[in-house]
Amino acid sequence: DAGVIQSPRHEVTEMGQEVTLRCKPISGHDYLFWYRQTMMRGLELLIYFNNNVPIDDSGMPEDRFSAKMPNASFSTLKIQPSEPRDSAVYFCASSERLAWKVDTQYFGPGTRLTVL
Amino acid sequence: AQKVTQAQTEISVVEKEDVTLDCVYETRDTTYYLFWYKQPPSGELVFLIRRNSFDEQNEISGRYSWNFQKSTSSFNFTITASQVVDSAVYFCALSEANTGFQKLVFGTGTRLLVSP
Repeated sequence: DAGVIQSPRHEVTEMGQEVTLRCKPISGHDYLFWYRQTMMRGLELLIYFNNNVPIDDSGMPEDRFSAKMPNASFSTLKIQPSEPRDSAVYFCASSERLAWKVDTQYFGPGTRLTVL
Repeated sequence: AQKVTQAQTEISVVEKEDVTLDCVYETRDTTYYLFWYKQPPSGELVFLIRRNSFDEQNEISGRYSWNFQKSTSSFNFTITASQVVDSAVYFCALSEANTGFQKLVFGTGTRLLVSP
C-alpha cells in the first residue's frame, strides 16, 4: 500500500507569495494531521481532521495559515502571505481510529519550505 | 509544561556498541500511548513502536528493545550492536486519553551518530 504522499517535496518561494502544500493520506484512514518541524520548536501539531472535518486547529500559528480537506483523499495547507519565519519542514500524517483505541500516525516524507 | 523529555540531545557511539535512548513522560491520564519514531538523514518520520499504558511488557524487535516503566514514567529505547544505518534522530511521543489519543506530543529528539 502507498504511504502518505506529500507534494511538493521542496518549495522555495519569496516572502509574500502564496504557498500550497498538498497531502494524500493512506487510503481508509479517517484522521489527517499537519505538523511543522523547526529547529527552535521541534515537531508541533498544527491542525487535524476527522472524516474531512477540522477538529482542532489550535496549533495553527496565525491567520496566514489555512487548511482544508475537501475529500477523504486530499488535504491542503496554505500559507498566504508567506514569511521567512515560515521556513520549516511540514509533515502530513494519517491514522485510522479503531473502536476506542488509537491507531498509529503514519507520516509522509515532508515538504521542506524555504521562504526567502 | 513539557510532557515528553528526551534529555540526551546527541549521542555518539562506535559501531557494535549498545546504546540506550532515554524518554521520560508526564501525564495525568491513566490511559495513554507512547511511541518511538525514527527520522533518518533523509528526513522522513518512521514509526517504530507503540505501547499503551496498560502493557508494561518489554518488547524486543531484532536489535531494538524497549523498556517501559510506569513507576519512573520512562519508556527507554535500546539498540544492541549499533550499526551506521541506525544514525538518525529518534523521537519519543505521547498521546493521552484526554485528547482522544489524537494529539501526539513529541520530545525534542535524540540524535544518534554511529561511526564505523
